[in-house]
Formats: sequence, C-alpha cells, structure tokens
Amino acid sequence: AQSVTQLGSHVSVSEGALVLLRCNYSSSVPPYLFWYVQYPNQGLQLLLKYTTGATLVKGINGFEAEFKKSETSFHLTKPSAHMSDAAEYFCAVSDRGNTPLVFGKGTRLSVIA
Amino acid sequence: DAGVTQSPTHLIKTRGQQVTLRCSPKSGHDTVSWYQQALGQGPQFIFQYYEEEERQRGNFPDRFSGHQFPNYSSELNVNALLLGDSALYLCASSSLASGTQETQYFGPGTRLLVL
Repeated sequence: AQSVTQLGSHVSVSEGALVLLRCNYSSSVPPYLFWYVQYPNQGLQLLLKYTTGATLVKGINGFEAEFKKSETSFHLTKPSAHMSDAAEYFCAVSDRGNTPLVFGKGTRLSVIA
Repeated sequence: DAGVTQSPTHLIKTRGQQVTLRCSPKSGHDTVSWYQQALGQGPQFIFQYYEEEERQRGNFPDRFSGHQFPNYSSELNVNALLLGDSALYLCASSSLASGTQETQYFGPGTRLLVL
C-alpha cells in the first residue's frame, strides 16, 4: 500500500527565506507524485507533479520539487518566501494509471514579516 | 474555462439525517473522485466514478454512495449521518479519455457539520 509522510506539521520561515517542505513516500511501483496547496476555507490547488522524465519539476508560484528515487523523497522548495505563500501544503502519491491519490497529513507554512 | 464546482458550500445536518452533495467537473473531464478531509488531516479517497459507474472505492462504509450522470456531474450521498462525518468533502475531476487521468483538479469543497 502506498503512503506519504510529511515531516513537520508546521514550518515557519521569514519573508525572503528559503522554503523547504519535506515529503517521503512509500510505493511498490514507480509513483506519480504531487504537491497541492490549500488556502484557508478553500479546495486544493495543484502546484506541481512528477510523472516521468526530468526529476526536477517546476510548478506555479516559483515552487519546484525534485524526485529522488534512492531517498523515496519529493521535497518542495522555493528560494524566497512571500507572505502570500502562507497556506497548508499536501504531498500526494498515486500508482501509474487511474488510481486515487494518497495524501500526507499536510504541512502548514507560516511566513513571518 | 470553468473549473470544478461544488454545491452547497456549507451544510448543517443532525445525526441520522441524510445528505446529498453535488459536483460538476472541469470542462472536458469525464472522471469524478470524492474525498473526505477531516479537520487537520489530509484528504481521504471515498470513491471514483467513470462512465456512470463506481470504479474504485476507498475504505468507507456503505452509508456513502454516489452517482454520476450522463453529463459527468456527480452526487455524493451519505445516509444515517454520524458526528464523525463532519468534514470538508472535496470533489476532484480528471480526464481518462485524454490519457491524463493521473492529474486531478479539485473543487472548493462542501463543509458538512453534523450536530
């Protein structure tokens, strides 16, 4: 069975500092990996995804993530945090094909001015 | 291009009642999945509909049922509501026909409170 572990339920960074949100996954087959963002009282917005090909993927709002098979990781980064990045971030995994997403418990990102 | 829409946005019910939530998928999408997000948790998969049939189901009791209509819209029904059913219910759509079914787009959700 697939699973996702997000290290740190709450991460706090200063405005302009590096953002690093950690995600490790478990999957018996090569995974599809996703990061979603959820703003208060809203649904989930897709930030980026890895399916095949280049292991460094770029998403919206300056975020990027790198798939590292040897470490079973898919950490999310952004070079410089902005106040508008404050939100809940979810990492998710699925099998190749039409299978449901399995989510981590989320990491709440706070950005301090 | 309209995204995924859900109705209602909020709902309050009492224990034992039944509720129906509605979802319209993103234009061009043919597959609808439903997720339950309890407070402080990640979303959990309930079931998925394609071609008006339930194709996959998560670990949810039979009190949770659904339907997909010919226009691809979908309903989620929950019978005999329990306090623990209070959650944000998210609908996600994707396109199996285009071969991009792995990418799911979410609606804003319906927040259900059971008293």
